Amino acid sequence: KAGVTQTPRYLIKTRGQQVTLSCSPISGHRSVSWYQQTPGQGLQFLFEYFSETQRNKGNFPGRFSGRQFSNSRSEMNVSTLELGDSALYLCASSLDGLGRTNEKLFFGSGTQLSVL
Amino acid sequence: GQSLEQPSEVTAVEGAIVQINCTYQTSGFYGLSWYQQHDGGAPTFLSYNALDGLEETGRFSSFLSRSDSYGYLLLQELQMKDSASYFCAVQNQAGTALIFGKGTTLSVSS
Repeated sequence: KAGVTQTPRYLIKTRGQQVTLSCSPISGHRSVSWYQQTPGQGLQFLFEYFSETQRNKGNFPGRFSGRQFSNSRSEMNVSTLELGDSALYLCASSLDGLGRTNEKLFFGSGTQLSVL
Repeated sequence: GQSLEQPSEVTAVEGAIVQINCTYQTSGFYGLSWYQQHDGGAPTFLSYNALDGLEETGRFSSFLSRSDSYGYLLLQELQMKDSASYFCAVQNQAGTALIFGKGTTLSVSS
């Protein structure tokens, strides 16, 4: 079974540009969540999608948005890039989301975004 | 809000035992998870404790005390390949996302 696939692996952008990152979850998984990882802040939750609906959102500005398609693939978009957006963006999938069970998240290797 | 505290770095030698502690503050607790991340790699699930006590999986064990809002990951018979970052995490109040600690970097030397 293929794992979580994120593309591209690396991305370099300049301030003010926008970027779209892609995530293909494990086949059969309906929940996709996104995390931002930086050396100082660790992993921070961006948002979670389930059946094309955003169920939960972290504490990030509106420049960060996402969507999920009917095949569960997900994209996240960052508009008007700032230097501080440089980070590793991780996507994680699970069958139905965490809920109150011990369902684990399966992470992709991430997209390393550098904003110059 | 929710927050987790864990040491930033731990060093040990091959064959040793190391314990990585995690204390948490959360409203609405479901369980404590642990993830491992090698440099440049994806975080991978190690363990989950919903109830008090010790869970053992091979060389790794995880412990939880709900009354103390405390848990730890115990790694035995350390190997070089165990050099990685280890994150503890709890679910948010809605149970739909993980809130991670800042991670503990474990360095294993020969």
